[in-house]
Amino acid sequence: DSGVTQTPKHLITATGQRVTLRCSPRSGDLSVYWYQQSLDQGLQFLIQYYNGEERAKGNILERFSAQQFPDLHSELNLSSLELGDSALYFCASSGGTNPGRETQYFGPGTRLLVL
Amino acid sequence: DAKTTQPTSMDCAEGRAANLPCNHSTISGNEYVYWYRQIHSQGPQYIIHGLKNNETNEMASLIITEDRKSSTLILPHATLRDTAVYYCIVSSGGSNYKLTFGKGTLLTVNP
Repeated sequence: DSGVTQTPKHLITATGQRVTLRCSPRSGDLSVYWYQQSLDQGLQFLIQYYNGEERAKGNILERFSAQQFPDLHSELNLSSLELGDSALYFCASSGGTNPGRETQYFGPGTRLLVL
Repeated sequence: DAKTTQPTSMDCAEGRAANLPCNHSTISGNEYVYWYRQIHSQGPQYIIHGLKNNETNEMASLIITEDRKSSTLILPHATLRDTAVYYCIVSSGGSNYKLTFGKGTLLTVNP
């Protein structure tokens, strides 16, 4: 158990819909990262937040957005969903003082299926 | 961040040492080498990291060549539960940080 929690574990929805994925980091961690893992793309970095502010951006679509709240939990919002958005979405957290040189602890993931 | 090259797959007998190579010939001086693994769709798990010295922890050892262009992850006594995809990543951090996972190596530990 990494200490990172993600809800829900599974999500099934239809094209065009909007969903919200939630992540609670390990106690004391200030940085939260979101990753998408699909069969054909592997594990892709989406975005990072540090203490409520966006710190780094990866291959995140404009239809996707994220935020980190004062209690440090984070939400990833996916809108206008397409079939290709079906994937595993992982959240990770780290202490936050030196991104890229810190161990990231990953949650169990949310499996999203868009029908 | 520097790119890495790993074999697609490897086999190892249970109880034997598993040696997973990684090539990172374009690594720069401030980039660390990280190893993570992912067991069948679970969240990736941190294993070990290093800059230029060899490192050892309770899970594995990391051997980095003197020129830092390649490294080897060693699982000293592989078990069936070590069957996973192993990712070698180099990362420098900074404001434009992103952790880039490649295809990794599928290590299969056989009984």
